Amino acid sequence: GDSVTQMEGPVTLSEEAFLTINCTYTATGYPSLFWYVQYPGEGLQLLLKATKADDKGSNKGFEATYRKETTSFHLEKGSVQVSDSAVYFCALSEDYGQNFVFGPGTRLSVLP
Amino acid sequence: EPEVTQTPSHQVTQMGQEVILRCVPISNHLYFYWYRQILGQKVEFLVSFYNNEISEKSEIFDDQFSVERPDGSNFTLKIRSTKLEDSAMYFCASSEGSGANTDTQYFGPGTRLTVL
Repeated sequence: GDSVTQMEGPVTLSEEAFLTINCTYTATGYPSLFWYVQYPGEGLQLLLKATKADDKGSNKGFEATYRKETTSFHLEKGSVQVSDSAVYFCALSEDYGQNFVFGPGTRLSVLP
Repeated sequence: EPEVTQTPSHQVTQMGQEVILRCVPISNHLYFYWYRQILGQKVEFLVSFYNNEISEKSEIFDDQFSVERPDGSNFTLKIRSTKLEDSAMYFCASSEGSGANTDTQYFGPGTRLTVL
């Protein structure tokens, strides 16, 4: 079945550091790929999305590129802020699929 | 901006009791979902619902669970006889469609269920 793997956390960075959170997936079709963010005590918020190979999703300084050849969708940000501290979930949705498959989440802590 | 809402934000119940978690999806969305997240663990799919019927469900969604869209706006998850292991955060989500351009799911803030 479909699956999503993320790098183990927690990830601790200093403010203004470069962020990469790795995500790889296994899918039978051509999924849409997502990053969701969960701030402490809150629900899941869509961060960005890509629907096909080589698409780049971007939002709030975060970006991720859909790499079909490596089945990856790594999340990057050039300069993190303390307010980016949260849990980040990579997820996929198969073409015309009806449910998301989430990765285990990666906790990011950004120190001032 | 339209959003998914859920009530209550926190529900405490005794083991064996029935609970109903409520959700109001985004108004023009057609697909509805429930997920759960046990504390500190991954988000797990429970069920999806379209056209007034379940379209997919996971192994977690056993006979103790049911979903309903009782009117044009609400979407509910019922747990018939709660168990300790049902304690989790339950998220409702909705999407406009299921194709590549409409399958983005928007999540509510969650209901934290605590079973004592």
